[in-house]
Amino acid sequence: EVQLVQSGAEVKKPGESLKISCKGSGYSFTSYWIGWVRQMPGKGLEWMGIIYPGDSDTRYSPSFQGQVTISADKSISTAYLQWSSLKASDTAMYYCASRVRGYFDYWGQGTLVTVSS
Amino acid sequence: QPVLTQSSSASASLGSSVKLTCTLSSGHSSYIIAWHQQQPGKAPRYLMKLEGSGSYNKGSGVPDRFSGSSSGADRYLTISNLQSEDEADYYCETWDSNTHFPLVFGGGTKLTVL
Repeated sequence: EVQLVQSGAEVKKPGESLKISCKGSGYSFTSYWIGWVRQMPGKGLEWMGIIYPGDSDTRYSPSFQGQVTISADKSISTAYLQWSSLKASDTAMYYCASRVRGYFDYWGQGTLVTVSS
Repeated sequence: QPVLTQSSSASASLGSSVKLTCTLSSGHSSYIIAWHQQQPGKAPRYLMKLEGSGSYNKGSGVPDRFSGSSSGADRYLTISNLQSEDEADYYCETWDSNTHFPLVFGGGTKLTVL
């Protein structure tokens, strides 16, 4: 059974750094793209970026290029989303999702990030 | 890149049927899409892949009440015999057919079951 398990909720202050994770199991982690999706409070889904763990090929949405960094550690089947300096506007739910069949077919449970002074 | 347009809301009565629409932008009418359901307070869940021909492949465990169809640039999700648990937000997703990126979501349709 394919599972994506994300790290727990975070509360941070503006300017702080953060790295959240998404651990895959039940499939060949290195063989399929895994992406990150933002959902701001009361809003829709926004694609942020995606990584191919097999060779770390990474693509970003123009809206998020330079704002976040996506990485993966294939030795532990885990993808990451990180910020170097959080802003209040980064407050959102973040989902990881894999593309085993060429579209987002498996989703993580989400990580709530709250940025507040 | 493609753009997906969805109505912001829809409503239908318990036990009835509803057809939600996702429209592809000009020049992208042949694109494949995926439908996702997001129940209140939960993560999105993949429902089905839907091709321009109307052929669709549902995810594991998706009830038979959910079906897909296509007409031109429009991609439809039909839910029959509506249940209370179908009250949710529904999103469509697509991707560039040649380069695979960028990935695009529609704005979502909030379905209310009366």
